[in-house]
Amino acid sequence: DAGVIQSPRHEVTEMGQEVTLRCKPISGHNSLFWYRQTMMRGLELLIYFNNNVPIDDSGMPEDRFSAKMPNASFSTLKIQPSEPRDSAVYFCASSLTRGLMNTEAFFGQGTRLTVV
Amino acid sequence: AQSVTQLGSHVSVSEGALVLLRCNYSSSVPPYLFWYVQYPNQGLQLLLKYTTGATLVKGINGFEAEFKKSETSFHLTKPSAHMSDAAEYFCAVKKAAGNKLTFGGGTRVLVKP
Repeated sequence: DAGVIQSPRHEVTEMGQEVTLRCKPISGHNSLFWYRQTMMRGLELLIYFNNNVPIDDSGMPEDRFSAKMPNASFSTLKIQPSEPRDSAVYFCASSLTRGLMNTEAFFGQGTRLTVV
Repeated sequence: AQSVTQLGSHVSVSEGALVLLRCNYSSSVPPYLFWYVQYPNQGLQLLLKYTTGATLVKGINGFEAEFKKSETSFHLTKPSAHMSDAAEYFCAVKKAAGNKLTFGGGTRVLVKP
């Protein structure tokens, strides 16, 4: 398997623009996570899905952020409008959950977002 | 709620010396514990994990960690550092029956020749 695939790897956008980050989880995994990494706050869980359903979005910073998982092989994280403080590396991760148990999370290589 | 504290945001070791990265956690239920490594401009890669059973767990690249419940610790060690070990290391905790990983702040390791 190619692992978790994120696109784009780098994104530079102007303040106020819409940004969409994409993620393809490992085939067969049914849990998907979006994390944000910054120097100040470290790794923060933004939202996670189980079987395409959002389970916990308490980490989403504000209404400008939204995430969707229309099917088991694709998820998006959208920021609209973007602000300079959204600049960070955004990671997608996936894992396999069976009942109450799940495997470790496998991470993508991240999208480095810069908002100018 | 769960939390993870990694003591020392930066560690410098000489090549061939012992690597010791400290991790303490708090959890109201028996935890699952993980160490991840992040190389520059890369995602996180699992080094090792503790779920149940043997408290000393071995991982990739010669790393190992010991779960000590009485000390609520999960320190990571490697007997002899290699230049390729230069990276950032993250300790993480989650509930056994749960999906949510909580990460520590990370420790950046510098290996001196």
